[in-house]
Amino acid sequence: EIQLVDSGGGLVQPGGSLRLSCAASGFTFSAYSMKWVRQAPGKGLEWVSYITSGGRTIYYADSVKGRFTISRDNAKNSLYLQMNSLRDEDTAIYYCARVRATTTPNYYMDVWGKGTTVTVSS
Amino acid sequence: QSVLTQPPSVSGAPGQRVTISCTGSSSNIGAGYDVHWYQHLPGTAPKLLIYDNINRPSGVPDRFSGSKSGTSASLAITGLQAEDEADYYCQSYDSSLSGWVFGGGTKLTVL
Repeated sequence: EIQLVDSGGGLVQPGGSLRLSCAASGFTFSAYSMKWVRQAPGKGLEWVSYITSGGRTIYYADSVKGRFTISRDNAKNSLYLQMNSLRDEDTAIYYCARVRATTTPNYYMDVWGKGTTVTVSS
Repeated sequence: QSVLTQPPSVSGAPGQRVTISCTGSSSNIGAGYDVHWYQHLPGTAPKLLIYDNINRPSGVPDRFSGSKSGTSASLAITGLQAEDEADYYCQSYDSSLSGWVFGGGTKLTVL
C-alpha cells in the first residue's frame, strides 16, 4: 500500500524550532519530488516547500523562506521539514505529499499524509 | 485572501448536480497553467480528484469532472451522494508568485 506518514508536530513557543518527518512506503520514494503543504485553523491549504527527487532543487513559499528547511534521505525513504523561528501564524496541520506532473511547473499531489499538527503558542 | 477564488459554500440534494468555480487571473489559470482539484475531509489526508484540468485518477468516480476556460475552472459533481460532503480545493501555478497556489476552499453540503 502506498503510504505517507507525517510526524513530529507538537506545541512550541514563538521563536522555537521543530522538525517534521514524513515516512514513505509502498513506492520508490527516490523517484519522486515531494512537497509540504499546511492548513492553518479555519483556513485553506497553503503550499510550503518543494524538493526534487534527488534533493538538488528546492523552493519555499515566501511566508517561510529563510526560516524553514526541507530535506530528504532517500536511503531512509524520508522527507523532513526543519522549522526555525516559529511564529504564531505557523500554527497549522502540516501535510507531506508526493508530487506528480505532466509538464513543468504543472505539479499536483497524488498521495498525501494524514498530517501532523504544529501549534505555536506561549 | 487566496489567489484563486472559490465560493465559500455550495449545497445540493442527493442526486443533484453541483458545480464549484475557481477564478484566477492572467498570471495563473489565464496563463495556461493547469488546474487540479482536491477533496478534503477534516482530519484526513486530502484526496486528488482531478488533475490537468480534466483528468480523473483511477478510482475517482466519473461523477466528478473538471473543465477550464480562460481564467477560470470548474469542478462538477453529478448524482450527489452524502459521502461527497467535504471541502474542495482548486490548485494551480502562479508565475507572478513563482509558486503553487490554492483556492480558499469550498464546503459542499449535501442536504
